Amino acid sequence: RKEVEQDPGPFNVPEGATVAFNCTYSNSASQSFFWYRQDCRKEPKLLMSVYSSGNEDGRFTAQLNRASQYISLLIRDSKLSDSATYLCVAVEGYSTLTFGKGTMLLVSP
Amino acid sequence: EAQVTQNPRYLITVTGKKLTVTCSQNMNHEYMSWYRQDPGLGLRQIYYSMNVEVTDKGDVPEGYKVSRKEKRNFPLILESPSPNQTSLYFCASSSLLTGQDEQYFGPGTRLTVT
Repeated sequence: RKEVEQDPGPFNVPEGATVAFNCTYSNSASQSFFWYRQDCRKEPKLLMSVYSSGNEDGRFTAQLNRASQYISLLIRDSKLSDSATYLCVAVEGYSTLTFGKGTMLLVSP
Repeated sequence: EAQVTQNPRYLITVTGKKLTVTCSQNMNHEYMSWYRQDPGLGLRQIYYSMNVEVTDKGDVPEGYKVSRKEKRNFPLILESPSPNQTSLYFCASSSLLTGQDEQYFGPGTRLTVT
């Protein structure tokens, strides 16, 4: 059974804080990994892809550790607008996407 | 504007009454899929399609049917809905030519089966 595990949270942080989420996956055949953001009752939207070499997009940094089968997302200088649920996704081939249940982030003033 | 559309957005129906949720994308994407999202269970894939006339089961296909007669459309059919199919449904599409780099999701359909 392919699984992607995430801490559901919520993570409550003040504005300006740095917060990190981890995600583990069970399917060693997974080839691609992504972080999606989902606002309450809205559709998920791609936040960033995750590469073995790590990648950074502004305040967001994602990393992949294939040996330990986990990926991470680091958010620096949190904004109120970062409050959302963050979904980790592992993809096998082109067709098999497995989503984690999501980690909720609440950023307070 | 590139988008995935779903209709209806909200639907309340009764057990056993056949229904169809439409999904359409205007990005010429080969890959389309359906997910359901339930509290505590996350997003689970129902069916997916790699191209016209090519469909396959996801993790939770029981009670659902799909068809892909045209590239842009991928309707989800519930022949005999039951209360356990009450859920939030998302359609998504992506391009296979550029790799599985981004799934574009529709706005969701909230279905209640009584």
